Amino acid sequence: DIQMTQSPSSLSASVGDRVTIACRASQNIYNYLSWYQQKPGKAPKLLIYDASTLQSGVPLRFSGSGSGADFTLTISSLQAEDFAIYYCQQSYTTPMSFGPGTKVDIK
Amino acid sequence: EVQLVQSGAAVRKPGQSLKISCKGSGYSFIDYWITWVRLMPGKGLEWMGIIFPDDSSLKYSPSFEGQVTFSVDKSNTTAYLQLNSLKASDTAIYYCARHYAPGWAGYQIGLDVWGQGTTVAVSS
Repeated sequence: DIQMTQSPSSLSASVGDRVTIACRASQNIYNYLSWYQQKPGKAPKLLIYDASTLQSGVPLRFSGSGSGADFTLTISSLQAEDFAIYYCQQSYTTPMSFGPGTKVDIK
Repeated sequence: EVQLVQSGAAVRKPGQSLKISCKGSGYSFIDYWITWVRLMPGKGLEWMGIIFPDDSSLKYSPSFEGQVTFSVDKSNTTAYLQLNSLKASDTAIYYCARHYAPGWAGYQIGLDVWGQGTTVAVSS
């Protein structure tokens, strides 16, 4: 099974900050990597798929990069509505594991 | 509008079973893989498995195999998650979600439409 790790597990940031979240797979997953945002009491929301493709309707301040085993989600200028938990997920093979999540909260 | 609507919250006693529904609408239900995801209190998302409604091809996560059963009713565009022999540790929110692209290879792209989640509480 492929293990997914994320760093940091949590971070505190201010509105306007640039935020970067890392995701690492235990083996090569090519670009089969998605990012999700989850807010309390809500279902997850797809932000990025295929490692770097922005889902329709997602603000341009979100971007994804990487391939192989190392990936990054960047929020270029954090907004109040971005405080949430972010998960990566590999879809290269089953079981399609999620990372443990990164909680982004207000400094 | 493309949506997945799940059945409502449920309370069960240990040892009982529960079947959660996930009704798709606004798209060709049989053509898109459905994934089931668990969110336990204070924990992260867990991938439970996947099913292709057209032919009911499926794959369970080893962590859930034997404890859950996936099925579909194509005529009612509904997917089901059955939880067997419930334990207190099954207390969680369960989500269904649709993979982004249609067809057999569509499972390799992310989950673009999610149900609202079904909260399950297991307590004696």
